[in-house]
Amino acid sequence: DVKVTQSSRYLVKRTGEKVFLECVQDMDHENMFWYRQDPGLGLRLIYFSYDVKMKEKGDIPEGYSVSREKKERFSLILESASTNQTSMYLCASSPGLWSSYEQYFGPGTRLTVT
Amino acid sequence: DQQVKQNSPSLSVQEGRISILNCDYTNSMFDYFLWYKKYPAEGPTFLISISSIKDKNEDGRFTVFLNKSAKHLSLHIVPSQPGDSAVYFCAASKATDMRFGAGTRLTVKP
Repeated sequence: DVKVTQSSRYLVKRTGEKVFLECVQDMDHENMFWYRQDPGLGLRLIYFSYDVKMKEKGDIPEGYSVSREKKERFSLILESASTNQTSMYLCASSPGLWSSYEQYFGPGTRLTVT
Repeated sequence: DQQVKQNSPSLSVQEGRISILNCDYTNSMFDYFLWYKKYPAEGPTFLISISSIKDKNEDGRFTVFLNKSAKHLSLHIVPSQPGDSAVYFCAASKATDMRFGAGTRLTVKP
């Protein structure tokens, strides 16, 4: 079974803090993704990575950065957290670049910025 | 710009009846379509998919139908069970570009 784990289930941070969200997958997948889920908007892609040290912007990269130093680990960084970044953050991985590859999701981190 | 739309935020059906969840998309370049199910406090899990070269795919109680001319897909669950109560996300993809709908919350009443 593919397992995608995220470092925290719930996180509360203050405005202006630097926030790190960690994601680890154990299936040697090439691709990793960060989404945020908001009511009425579904899942929106923030960044994805198709290889170590490679990254591509998704639809809403502003205010975020990512790091992938090892194949199994993909980190999302909020440089200076703001209240509009309060959301559910979901990490996912997939084995390849083809459309048919499903993505495997972690349980999510609910981030609240006060 | 939502390229994938699920216009029904919620759906309630009786146990044993059919559940039909709908999804529309705007980009004709999508070549694969997927449905994910999400329980509270868990990440979405893959349910069923269909390639753009097909119009139907069936897996047990779950069937996905694709109407390319209408840019519409639907998920049928027959018979519906209380354990099917969850949020269902429709997704459309082309290579690494996967777009999700806003989700439909299905409630199956015993």
